Amino acid sequence: DADVTQTPRNRITKTGKRIMLECSQTKGHDRMYWYRQDPGLGLRLIYYSFDVKDINKGEISDGYSVSRQAQAKFSLSLESAIPNQTALYFCATSVGQGGFQETQYFGPGTRLLVL
Amino acid sequence: RKEVEQDPGPFNVPEGATVAFNCTYSNSASQSFFWYRQDCRKEPKLLMSVYSSGNEDGRFTAQLNRASQYISLLIRDSKLSDSATYLCVVNTYSSASKIIFGSGTRLSIRP
Repeated sequence: DADVTQTPRNRITKTGKRIMLECSQTKGHDRMYWYRQDPGLGLRLIYYSFDVKDINKGEISDGYSVSRQAQAKFSLSLESAIPNQTALYFCATSVGQGGFQETQYFGPGTRLLVL
Repeated sequence: RKEVEQDPGPFNVPEGATVAFNCTYSNSASQSFFWYRQDCRKEPKLLMSVYSSGNEDGRFTAQLNRASQYISLLIRDSKLSDSATYLCVVNTYSSASKIIFGSGTRLSIRP
């Protein structure tokens, strides 16, 4: 079984709809992250959480929100989806060591298309 | 200017060749560096960390040049299975820690 899972794997939605992407991990890691990947732009950090009570904005948090429901679960919400949020979304986890210096383990990704 | 820049490629080399590519970063306060590998339509996976003294893992060698602010990845005796996109990752620790992924260098190994 995969250590980091994401649901759904693919999603098509319409402009203005609310959508939630979910991430679960069985690695026992404290730290979890949400990224989006766009062609030619690499991965960009949306939000991250270093423990259950900690939520931090990343590079591109506007239009997104997150919830860390438990150590193992970190969900990403698009309150009102827009077409430029069409992207490949990755969740990742890591062991806490300080800053971002530890290895990150990625989920398989969610492909989101906003029409 | 992007904080982390990579030549997007594609690098198209024959099997058995040696190939190298660089990743430049703009923030001199950057403190840790990594190479990740990403196969088509898959998630990134750590290939290797990059240490100041350089490090080697089998056919792969990573080096850091702080003076010129770049990291490099050398692949010797390339295999068909090395075909992938290679992402460099740069972390900066200060009042606001940052993690920046490069956009990736695409490598294609031909038989």
